[in-house]
Amino acid sequence: EAQVTQNPRYLITVTGKKLTVTCSQNMNHEYMSWYRQDPGLGLRQIYYSMNVEVTDKGDVPEGYKVSRKEKRNFPLILESPSPNQTSLYFCASGPTGAGEQYFGPGTRLTVT
Amino acid sequence: ILNVEQSPQSLHVQEGDSTNFTCSFPSSNFYALHWYRWETAKSPEALFVMTLNGDEKKKGRISATLNTKEGYSYLYIKGSQPEDSATYLCASFSGGYNKLIFGAGTRLAVHP
Repeated sequence: EAQVTQNPRYLITVTGKKLTVTCSQNMNHEYMSWYRQDPGLGLRQIYYSMNVEVTDKGDVPEGYKVSRKEKRNFPLILESPSPNQTSLYFCASGPTGAGEQYFGPGTRLTVT
Repeated sequence: ILNVEQSPQSLHVQEGDSTNFTCSFPSSNFYALHWYRWETAKSPEALFVMTLNGDEKKKGRISATLNTKEGYSYLYIKGSQPEDSATYLCASFSGGYNKLIFGAGTRLAVHP
């Protein structure tokens, strides 16, 4: 089954404790991206990747890091989480950035 | 940052009503316009991806039109049903930016 998976689905953590949210897709997509969703603001892009070892900042990259060592995986790293990073996070993939995007199930992160 | 605007922000209709929403986007360097349907507690799912001026697409009772010269797209739902209740997102992909910019969405509630 074609899908995008994210783990964990829910996470409560404390300020400053490094965490990684994993994202994996099995559709051989070149384009992958991370979004955060906050009430009233819609989906805002954090980082995107056009292919292996090619990543670039989205609109809200501060406080996040990503890597794309393999085509299927695109982890999101929060080196020192802060309460303002409490949000719902979605990973997405598509054949290109302009093509239909497939979203993961979301990760709800709370930073206290 | 490119702005994608959606209106109205929310909409309540009765079962059987037809309705439509608007998405406006920057027309310069336009490449693709996406519509997604996002149900509560689920992930956004693609409805349409449109690229050509004058494009019209249809999926069941839902259809969309695209005007790239003036920078707007309409989404129509004919004979709304309670299961159409969701947030409808549009997103614009512009050449040179490699980013998919989302609007804040239109939240539709269809009452029996």
